[in-house]
Amino acid sequence: GAGVSQSPSNKVTEKGKDVELRCDPISGHTALYWYRQRLGQGLEFLIYFQGNSAPDKSGLPSDRFSAERTGESVSTLTIQRTQQEDSAVYLCASSSVYEQFFGPGTRLTVL
Amino acid sequence: AQRVTQPEKLLSVFKGAPVELKCNYSYSGSPELFWYVQYSRQRLQLLLRHISRESIKGFTADLNKGETSFHLKKPFAQEEDSAMYYCALHGGGYNKLIFGAGTRLAVHP
Repeated sequence: GAGVSQSPSNKVTEKGKDVELRCDPISGHTALYWYRQRLGQGLEFLIYFQGNSAPDKSGLPSDRFSAERTGESVSTLTIQRTQQEDSAVYLCASSSVYEQFFGPGTRLTVL
Repeated sequence: AQRVTQPEKLLSVFKGAPVELKCNYSYSGSPELFWYVQYSRQRLQLLLRHISRESIKGFTADLNKGETSFHLKKPFAQEEDSAMYYCALHGGGYNKLIFGAGTRLAVHP
């Protein structure tokens, strides 16, 4: 079946511009996570959605970062006024019980 | 506080040597522990979970509640095992999955 998909796969933007990243989770998965992975580094948790509960935003690095999810469907991660340090791969994952299924990531490059 | 610690950023071994990737956790209840793996140019994926007590690709991991550890072991490393390995903890219910910082395993010929 279809896995987690993310779009775009690559995004190059200029410093100061806003970007929007999309995640399509596996159908029926109630949990959705966003992570950031800098080059050669580990996973950095950003935000966690679980059903209709309030999201856990404890990992968002600044108020320039926000994310939305409507019900148990797609999610968008928005980064406003991008900075060069935002350059990274942004990963999305969804899960139903315990196993997380990861998307291919969006590689964001801020010039 | 819930925490997963992987003390080694990089583990470098020769082919055929034993491998042990360390993972320690901090959790007050009875967590579920997992190992995830990310091979070059591939998605992060589940390698194994402690409840299933299975061996995947020759890897095993035993949950030691006394030492709060969940080390990943393989008796004879192969070059194709080179990857990034993440230990993860889940507290059950609607708690979020918590990852360690990851250990990069490099297996040299």
